[in-house]
Amino acid sequence: AQTVTQSQPEMSVQEAETVTLSCTYDTSESDYYLFWYKQPPSRQMILVIRQEAYKQQNATENRFSVNFQKAAKSFSLKISDSQLGDAAMYFCAYSRGATNKLIFGTGTLLAVQP
Amino acid sequence: DTEVTQTPKHLVMGMTNKKSLKCEQHMGHRAMYWYKQKAKKPPELMFVYSYEKLSINESVPSRFSPECPNSSLLNLHLHALQPEDSALYLCASSQDRVGGEETQYFGPGTRLLVL
Repeated sequence: AQTVTQSQPEMSVQEAETVTLSCTYDTSESDYYLFWYKQPPSRQMILVIRQEAYKQQNATENRFSVNFQKAAKSFSLKISDSQLGDAAMYFCAYSRGATNKLIFGTGTLLAVQP
Repeated sequence: DTEVTQTPKHLVMGMTNKKSLKCEQHMGHRAMYWYKQKAKKPPELMFVYSYEKLSINESVPSRFSPECPNSSLLNLHLHALQPEDSALYLCASSQDRVGGEETQYFGPGTRLLVL
């Protein structure tokens, strides 16, 4: 069975600094998708970034980028120039695609200090 | 536009009540999902509809009854709930396209309290 592990329950970063959130996963599949979702206190789950396992190039979205290491089954999220609005719970998730269930990690609560 | 809407935002109900949660999307997505999320925990999948047919039921108790009247609408009918069913209920949708990466887009959720 696939599992997703986030080993950092809480993290803190100063405004304008960079922070990296860790995620590892376990799967025997070769084709899959990985996601980072953000859930602020307003509670809506917002897609931050996604990565297709067959792509070697790391995904980037503005200040957000990932370090995808397929062999190591690692998928970390880097947030550059952190802003107060980045404070949220961040979930790493895995999917086989096409109505397959999202398997979530336990989440990392990120605090941004002014 | 990646918007999924959910109503109501908050719901308080007694254990003998019958209520419904509603979810709507206008992105042309053909897969829709219900998740249950307890405080400080990740969402847990309840149901998946694909092309208006129930494709996954994660062994959810029968007091939760999903319905997909059309490709844009998803309902969750609630009856005889227990206090432990109090949670945030999230709806999501995705394209359900063969070979697609199937990103799920979430609604804002309904906060349910069962008294």
